[in-house]
Amino acid sequence: EIVMTQSPATLSVSPGERATLSCRASQSVSSNLAWYQQKPGQAPRLLIYGASTRATGIPARFSGSGSGTEFTLTISSLQSEDFAVYYCQQYNNWPPRLTFGGGTKVEIK
Amino acid sequence: QLQLQESGPGLVKPSETLSLTCTVSGGSISSSSYYWGWIRQPPGKGLEWIGSIYYSGSTYYNPSLKSRVTISVDTSKNQFSLKLSSVTAADTAVYYCARQGQSIGYCSGGSCPNWFDPWGQGTLVTVSS
Repeated sequence: EIVMTQSPATLSVSPGERATLSCRASQSVSSNLAWYQQKPGQAPRLLIYGASTRATGIPARFSGSGSGTEFTLTISSLQSEDFAVYYCQQYNNWPPRLTFGGGTKVEIK
Repeated sequence: QLQLQESGPGLVKPSETLSLTCTVSGGSISSSSYYWGWIRQPPGKGLEWIGSIYYSGSTYYNPSLKSRVTISVDTSKNQFSLKLSSVTAADTAVYYCARQGQSIGYCSGGSCPNWFDPWGQGTLVTVSS
């Protein structure tokens, strides 16, 4: 099983500041990584797939980078609606065994 | 706009079988471009993939749940379903269904499911007597 580790568990950021979230895979997943945003009481929403491609309708302030085992989600200027929990997910196994990271909560500083 | 909606009992007794259905609207479940998946989230915890199905009926399951999980598809109703047997309190969670794209490069002999988009709103299933 590929274990996904996200850090930090909680990130305190002021509105307008930059947020950098990390996701590490226990073995290489190439660029087969997605990021999701989840707000309280809501289903997760796809932000990024292929490590760096924004999903439809996702604002440009969200960007993803990395490959292999180290990935980053950057929110360039945090808006009030961006305070949420963010998950990474890899999809690089054969046979498929899709795994998620434990999440990073972005809270208001 | 594609929408997914989970339905099923919100309370299941220990040792019984949890059964949920996901109804897809605004698109066809028979599209050859997509897989359809189930994910769960225990209260206050993270996300766990349960399994995925292709419209043809081909399935992939999380090995940790494989012995208890069955996912099926009904193309005539544009639905897919989840059955989880011998449930315990540890199976209490919000259960989500979602559409998945498919990847080819690393998949032996065909395609395999990748990311989840969009998701249903989720349904809480509590296992309790």
